[in-house]
Amino acid sequence: DTEVTQTPKHLVMGMTNKKSLKCEQHMGHRAMYWYKQKAKKPPELMFVYSYEKLSINESVPSRFSPECPNSSLLNLHLHALQPEDSALYLCASSPLGGGSIAKNIQYFGAGTRLSVL
Amino acid sequence: KQEVTQIPAALSVPEGENLVLNCSFTDSAIYNLQWFRQDPGKGLTSLLLIQSSQREQTSGRLNASLDKSSGRSTLYIAASQPGDSATYLCAVGKGAQKLVFGQGTRLTINP
Repeated sequence: DTEVTQTPKHLVMGMTNKKSLKCEQHMGHRAMYWYKQKAKKPPELMFVYSYEKLSINESVPSRFSPECPNSSLLNLHLHALQPEDSALYLCASSPLGGGSIAKNIQYFGAGTRLSVL
Repeated sequence: KQEVTQIPAALSVPEGENLVLNCSFTDSAIYNLQWFRQDPGKGLTSLLLIQSSQREQTSGRLNASLDKSSGRSTLYIAASQPGDSATYLCAVGKGAQKLVFGQGTRLTINP
């Protein structure tokens, strides 16, 4: 199983709503990532969790709140978003441990397309 | 600050041709370099990863090279097929986990 599963596939929310994005992997990977991708732009890193601890936060606004309840699951909690936050949100995972170069290959989910009205 | 540039932004070739996609980066102190493909509205699929100490990697019809000193990488696709149509993204690893992506090359293979 080399799959990273993201739910929901599409999400429409108002600026006062609270919603969550979910990401799951069962590959035993110990690093998980959130990226934001605007239309026709490359992905931009938001957060990285390593061994369930937040290791990188790319100065993301506090209206985005990540959570890693266990090694297989990653959530992104959304609150008081702005229309400019509309984008494709991608989750990825990588093995992290071991001596092989494959430990750094990132496996991506299909993304959640978020629209903020 | 690491900047990654991909040229051309778009490329259209007939089926069967061999082609080269280019990626350049400004800071040669990289950890690794990865090539991904992205189909419209989808996530990314890893194609090849080159460690900073390596010069090239091959997978099937794909070959990626890395020249750190000149800040360049190329992705060579042999005998292109319509199924190769996608956006190809180059990503430079600033560390083991931090990737900086180029803008991508949108490739179209015409039957």
